[in-house]
Amino acid sequence: EVQLVESGGGLVQPGGSLRLSCAASGFTFSSYEMNWVRQAPGKGLEWVSYISSSGSTIYYADSVKGRFTISRDNAKNSLYLQMNSLRAEDTAVYYCARHEHFAYYFDYWGQGTLVTVSS
Amino acid sequence: QSALTQPASVSGSPGQSITISCTGTSSDVGGYNYVSWYQQHPGKAPKLMIYDVSNRPSGVSNRFSGSKSGNTASLTISGLQAEDEADYYCSSYTSSSTPLYVFGTGTKVTVL
Repeated sequence: EVQLVESGGGLVQPGGSLRLSCAASGFTFSSYEMNWVRQAPGKGLEWVSYISSSGSTIYYADSVKGRFTISRDNAKNSLYLQMNSLRAEDTAVYYCARHEHFAYYFDYWGQGTLVTVSS
Repeated sequence: QSALTQPASVSGSPGQSITISCTGTSSDVGGYNYVSWYQQHPGKAPKLMIYDVSNRPSGVSNRFSGSKSGNTASLTISGLQAEDEADYYCSSYTSSSTPLYVFGTGTKVTVL
């Protein structure tokens, strides 16, 4: 069974940092491309970042570029999102979501982890 | 690149059919057959319902169907059931690397 389990969320002050993790199981993690998608409270979904299966190709939304860093450790079946210089508008539930190579949709999602940026 | 435009809410009685529209541009919806639809119940993660405009993943009811014409994609739910009450989001791959994907504004489906 495919499972994606996020962790690392919490309350952080504006300007602070946080590192999210996504533990994958039930599939060959190194064969899949991964993404982070977030959802502010009561709002819609927003794509945040993408990383290829090997980690060689990375993309970011303009809203997080230069502040967030996506990475993965295929040996540990884990995806990460390092978030620096956090702002109030980064407050959201962060989901990790996978897609197959040459696929353009997210077939499995984690349950999400809440990040709250507030003083 | 702006979010794709969806109606804020759609409602229907059990057994009826409803359609949710998703309007983008030639840089996203109109440019690729890579529109997907997600169902999200309150407090839950999104669930893939339709991919590549009109394909259903294994396990998704055939009451859900998708289509596209020009820059507008549509999700139709036929034989509406109480369990279909949820938020629905469309998504499209884009011609830009940022964003790589764009989501719709979301539609709340209410079963009367």
